[in-house]
Order: sequence, then C-alpha cells, then structure tokens
Amino acid sequence: QSALTQPRSVSGSPGQSVTISCTGTSSDVGGYGYVSWYQHHPGKAPRLIIYDVNVRPSGVPNRFAGSKYGNTASLTISDLQADDDADYYCCSYAGRSTIVVFGGGTKVTVL
Amino acid sequence: QIHLEQSGAEVRKIGSSVKVSCKASGGTFNTWPLSWVRQAPGQGLEWMGGIVPAFGTANYAKKFEDRVTITADASTNTLHMELTSLTSDDTAVYYCSRDKGGWTGFDVWGQGTTVTV
Repeated sequence: QSALTQPRSVSGSPGQSVTISCTGTSSDVGGYGYVSWYQHHPGKAPRLIIYDVNVRPSGVPNRFAGSKYGNTASLTISDLQADDDADYYCCSYAGRSTIVVFGGGTKVTVL
Repeated sequence: QIHLEQSGAEVRKIGSSVKVSCKASGGTFNTWPLSWVRQAPGQGLEWMGGIVPAFGTANYAKKFEDRVTITADASTNTLHMELTSLTSDDTAVYYCSRDKGGWTGFDVWGQGTTVTV
C-alpha cells in the first residue's frame, strides 16, 4: 500500500481536461511544499512534470498544472492529447525519517 | 547536459545479492542528491534511498534499510546500489535519479536496470 493515495485511473477525450488527486497527511503533502509529479510511459524513464507543488520544469507545456489544498495535491492536464496517455505519480517529501513517499500511480487514458 | 547511464540487466537467485551502477556525466556529481527508485511489475514507483556524494552518508527507506547499501564513487562519478537477501519480490526495474535539491523533485533519470530474481 502506497503512502500517498491516487485514483487508479482517469480518462478523457482529446481536448478535455482531467484532474488527478493525491492524498497524504500532514506529515507529507500537507506539511511541506515539496510535491512533485511524474509522467511515466511504459518502458521509458519517468519524467518530472511538476515540482514544488506547482512549478513546471523547462520544456513541460502549460497544459500541466499542479496545486495543493491541505493534505491533497492535484495535477490537472488540460487539452488532453494522445501522448498524455501514460501513468502519473505524485511524490512528496515526508520529513527526516521517511524522507520520500510516492503515490500508487494513476493511469490516464485518452479515449 | 546531465546524463545518467546505468549498468545492464541482472539475473540473480533467491537469497543472493545484486549491485547496480549508475555513471553520471555532464555536471558536478559530488553535489547532487542522488536516489534509487524501483518499479516492480504491475506496481508503482518506490523510493529506496539516496545520497549526496559530497556528504557520503546515505538515507534509506525503512522498508529497505536492512538490505540496501547506496554508495557513491566521486573518482568515477558512479553511484552504486547493492541489495542483499533477494526474494522474488525484488524483481523490478531499478532507476537512479538526481534530485533538483532539497527533495523537490527528481529531474534526471537513468534508463533503468531490470533485475530478475
């Protein structure tokens, strides 16, 4: 069982938006501003798409947006495209003892 | 441009150990926070532990702290991860990754190494 809870799957048609939630506790998501999100296509290395809750690395389109409220972080993908069909993982700093926790992952299907 | 190149696939017997390497290029290896993350078949990403080579002391996830050793060789810019007492549950793809700093996010990843037990 993963430390952070994500929905198993979400889906949307091209051009639509989807939002993925990531629920933790005050010891991880709620306690720090260090939530990151990763896009993972099977057979490839994960790709960082959001860090520090809502910051996009260079080269990541602004269709990807991160946010956080309390113990829950969210990733919204707007204007869904075929290449967005992938697994998405949230991750949070969790203090000096646990350090890093991942969510269980969400499969995004572009219909 | 920073690049992480991992060693090749490994096959091990139950109860044995495996050591996976990750050679870094394109930057100042010693100051990077580096981690190992694995993905078992059908499972999610799982952080195993990390190290800043300049400091030398590794941090480990509680799940692995009895079985994993992460080291860094600054002379060859190479990160190593050794996992002992292997079980079939350790069959996974193992990734090395670099943190942007302060555990904010893993921005560079190796290509992954498949370990089959």
